[in-house]
Order: sequence, then structure tokens, then C-alpha cells
Amino acid sequence: DGGITQSPKYLFRKEGQNVTLSCEQNLNHDAMYWYRQDPGQGLRLIYYSQIVNDFQKGDIAEGYSVSREKKESFPLTVTSAQKNPTAFYLCASSIDRGGQLNLAKNIQYFGAGTRLSVL
Amino acid sequence: EDKVVQSPLSLVVHEGDTVTLNCSYEVTNFRSLLWYKQEKKAPTFLFMLTSSGIEKKSGRLSSILDKKELFSILNITATQTGDSAVYLCAVEATGANSKLTFGKGITLSVRP
Repeated sequence: DGGITQSPKYLFRKEGQNVTLSCEQNLNHDAMYWYRQDPGQGLRLIYYSQIVNDFQKGDIAEGYSVSREKKESFPLTVTSAQKNPTAFYLCASSIDRGGQLNLAKNIQYFGAGTRLSVL
Repeated sequence: EDKVVQSPLSLVVHEGDTVTLNCSYEVTNFRSLLWYKQEKKAPTFLFMLTSSGIEKKSGRLSSILDKKELFSILNITATQTGDSAVYLCAVEATGANSKLTFGKGITLSVRP
């Protein structure tokens, strides 16, 4: 049963604490992404990774960090430097990123999300 | 800066109605436009549009792109309560830093 699994579904962060959100995929996709969704706003890109051991900042990377040590996994750490972390976080993956020949490979598929709140 | 604007932001209809959701965009080096449906958590992929005037259809849902006027519409006919969701439009640009730019989404509520 292929898909993208995010955990936990709900997470609470205390002030000054770092927390890590998990994202695992068994779709054999090369590219993975993290987005943040706030009420009344579109999804905003935090980080993306096109291949193992490589990742790039998105539009709102400050206060976040990622790693891509395995193809299947792309965890996101929300650090204490992120002053407004309360949001819904979505992980996505695609076969490829920015491919020119077969655009269907760029379609991103999403996990069910993690809702992060601050205590 | 790339921009995607969806309208209306929310919509309430009754079962059986037909709805049209709009998405306009300004993007440098357009590659594709995508529609997603987000019911509770995970957005699910609906359509990818790359060429003007070619309708994509899946059951009661259909979508079309106008690259000259820079917009797309998503039509839902004979709406059902299960169509209640947020519909997201996103545009992909070409280039080394290609990414999806999302609109704010349209909240559709279908009343019995």
C-alpha cells in the first residue's frame, strides 16, 4: 500500500523546544517537500529535496531545518528560532522535480499532515 | 513574484447544483497548472493542465486552461455533499528553482 506517512498527527511544542515532524514515503519518489498551511493562506514551501543528501530552502525556511539521509525519509525540525510555529504542516513527494519531458512526473502527492500547536 | 488568485474564496450550494471555481495566475515561464481537493487533511490530486483549450474530465469534474488570459476553471456538475472541500489551485514554473505556487483555496460547502 504505497503512500506518504506523516507523524504525529498532532504535536505540541513548549517554548524554546525543538520538535521534529516525520515524513516517510514508499513510492520510490526522488523529490520531497515540506509546506506550511495557515488559515486563509495558500501552502508555502519550507524546504525541498531533489535527491538524497541534498536539499534547498524554499520561501520560508527560517527557523526550520531538514535532512535527507534516506530516499524514503525527509524529517522537518521546527527549531526554537521559529517564533510562530503554530500551523498545519504538509509533506509531499514527486517522482521528479522540474523535469521537462514528462510533466506528470512533477505531480506532487501529499501526506495527511501534522498539526503543530504551541503550549 | 509568481501569484495565484482563486475566486470565490468560499461558496455554499445545494446538492445537484453546478459550480465553477476560478483560478487566475501571473507566473514567469509557466509550465503547468494543478488542481487539488483537500477534504480534511491531505490534498488529493485532481488535474494537471498544460495546454490551452483541452478539457480534462473525471466523472462530474472537469477543468480547462486558458494560457492567453491566464486562468483556469474547475467545474463540478450535479454536486454532492462529498464534494464539500477546499479546492486548491497551484501553478508550476520552469527553471532551476521551479516550484509550485498555491492560491489560498476555495472552500466549497454542498448542503443536502
